[in-house]
Amino acid sequence: AQSVTQPDIHITVSEGASLELRCNYSYGATPYLFWYVQSPGQGLQLLLKYFSGDTLVQGIKGFEAEFKRSQSSFNLRKPSVHWSDAAEYFCAVEGGGADGLTFGKGTHLIIQP
Amino acid sequence: DARVTQTPRHKVTEMGQEVTMRCQPILGHNTVFWYRQTMMQGLELLAYFRNRAPLDDSGMPKDRFSAEMPDATLATLKIQPSEPRDSAVYFCASGLVRAEAFFGQGTRLTVV
Repeated sequence: AQSVTQPDIHITVSEGASLELRCNYSYGATPYLFWYVQSPGQGLQLLLKYFSGDTLVQGIKGFEAEFKRSQSSFNLRKPSVHWSDAAEYFCAVEGGGADGLTFGKGTHLIIQP
Repeated sequence: DARVTQTPRHKVTEMGQEVTMRCQPILGHNTVFWYRQTMMQGLELLAYFRNRAPLDDSGMPKDRFSAEMPDATLATLKIQPSEPRDSAVYFCASGLVRAEAFFGQGTRLTVV
């Protein structure tokens, strides 16, 4: 069965600093990979996705993620964070079978002034 | 602007009562998911429909929960009888196979 691990439950970053959120997945073939963001009291919004092709994908709000097959990773990055980036971030994998979309536990991002 | 619509947004009910949550998926989407979100468990998949047929509902307590899609424009999640441990935010999402899912705003359920 597919699974997703986000090793960091909380991350604190200073405003203007760079950010990297880690995501590791387990799936037999090449999965479809996603990053979602959730602000308090809101649903999940798609930041970016990887299906195939270029392993570096660009998303909304200045985020990017890199798919590394050898490490089974899909880490999210942003060169300079803003206070409005404070939120919960979820990595997800979809294999196309009956498992549907599987999410990691999430990483809570805190931005320090 | 197409979006997934969930009703109600908030529900407070007494233990033992029936709760029905509704979801209108985005027109043309053929997959529908129901997730439950709690602080302790995170996002748990409760049910997964493809072309209105249930593919996976193994994450759902069968004795009290049921999920249906009476037609392509409506998905329902029912809890009968409800218990305090069912208090959570319930999300519906829709999409296409092997593509991203679009989430609704959720239903915040409180069972007292």
